[in-house]
Amino acid sequence: QVQLQESGPGLVKPSQTLSLTCTVSGGSISSGAYYWSWIRQHPGKGLEWVGYIHYSGSTYYNPSLKSRVTISVDTSKNQFSLKLSSVTAADTAVYYCASSLGRGGFYDYWGQGTLVTVSS
Amino acid sequence: QSVLTQPPSVSGAPGQRVTISCTGSSSNIGANYDVHWYQQLPGTAPKILIYGNNNRPSGVPDRFSGSKSGTSASLAITGLQAEDEADYYCQSYDSSLSGGVFGGGTKLTVL
Repeated sequence: QVQLQESGPGLVKPSQTLSLTCTVSGGSISSGAYYWSWIRQHPGKGLEWVGYIHYSGSTYYNPSLKSRVTISVDTSKNQFSLKLSSVTAADTAVYYCASSLGRGGFYDYWGQGTLVTVSS
Repeated sequence: QSVLTQPPSVSGAPGQRVTISCTGSSSNIGANYDVHWYQQLPGTAPKILIYGNNNRPSGVPDRFSGSKSGTSASLAITGLQAEDEADYYCQSYDSSLSGGVFGGGTKLTVL
């Protein structure tokens, strides 16, 4: 059974960079068909796809966030990471990592989510 | 503003049938990309409910079913139970975004 676990600071100051890591267990991040995603949910709101990465390093980002987002993968640690720069209060959200079979596939495994608050 | 449009809320009495619609466009649902549905209970991550338009993962009751036509999709829940009270989200792929897109979510209240 694949499990995903997010980790990182729960509080980030405005204008700084939000950094989160997702550790994958019970399966290999190098599984060729899978894409590894970050999805966020603003408090009381719906889900927003942030971006995803393939173990080969190919990345795809939500155009609305593209200028501030970087997703990377570390196959040796079975982890992938999110960096979101120049954050504002509007980036306060629960951030989930999730996996999908293919870019158009459904998200079959999810982390529990981590709340990141942007505040001074 | 979500790319896929869902009603904010639906409600029904125990035992009744409800449907939740999901409307997209020619770059997502209308482009023949699959639609998937998730159930989210308070404080938890979404859970896949229907994948590939009308397929149920093991463990999901057959009271839940999905359909798709043109640029829209629907989730139907029959024999409503109190435990079905949750938020429901549709999801597809959008070729113009090159990524996943979600509906805004629908809150189901069991009266």
